Amino acid sequence: SYELTQPPSVSVSLGQMARITCSGETLPKKFAYWYQQKPGHFPVLVIYKDIERPSGIPERFSGSTSGTTVTLTISGVQAEDEADYYCLSKDSSDTWVFGGGTRLTVL
Amino acid sequence: EVQLVESGGGLVKPGGSLRLSCAASGFNFTNAWMRWVRQAPGKGLEWVGHIKSKNDGGTTDYAASMKGRFTISRDDLKNTLYLQMSSLETEDTAVYYCTCGTYSPFDYWGQGTLVTVSS
Repeated sequence: SYELTQPPSVSVSLGQMARITCSGETLPKKFAYWYQQKPGHFPVLVIYKDIERPSGIPERFSGSTSGTTVTLTISGVQAEDEADYYCLSKDSSDTWVFGGGTRLTVL
Repeated sequence: EVQLVESGGGLVKPGGSLRLSCAASGFNFTNAWMRWVRQAPGKGLEWVGHIKSKNDGGTTDYAASMKGRFTISRDDLKNTLYLQMSSLETEDTAVYYCTCGTYSPFDYWGQGTLVTVSS
């Protein structure tokens, strides 16, 4: 079955830049989305259609894409950004697939 | 304000059945494609399936591991989404979320309902 591959964990110091990658062979053809989930809460959309940011999401969150990899970048990481992050896209059958998730730790 | 409220979770034995409901308000439910997502304890998110609006055909689609066991339906008069689950396995233990969206397929989420499959 199709997989979106994310690193299990990323650590970054407060105020530094965090990059979380997501790799999948259909990503050049399918949009990617990013969700943030804090413990005990439902996920929140932070990036849609590869690079777009919903209203209310801080400007420090951005998305980019290059070939089969999409990247969520958080510039100037804040303590409240510590969370699990999931990418989402479609496989070749147009079925939604989530990445395995990345735990972001703010040091 | 969009609100999604799931109910119907609980403890069920392997091989058993359960029906989840999701009461929706604050948006045009009739025109919305509605989706279920689940999350096993301590694990990641997994798309369960969706149902299109009746205007778009009202058809359903499911993740491979749930096809044939899970059925999604909707009652547009009651603004309610359903997930009928049968032949439940221990691996189906999860929080089940009702979702929909505009920017993305999963902008809005309910609080989730926990399904525990155990003998």
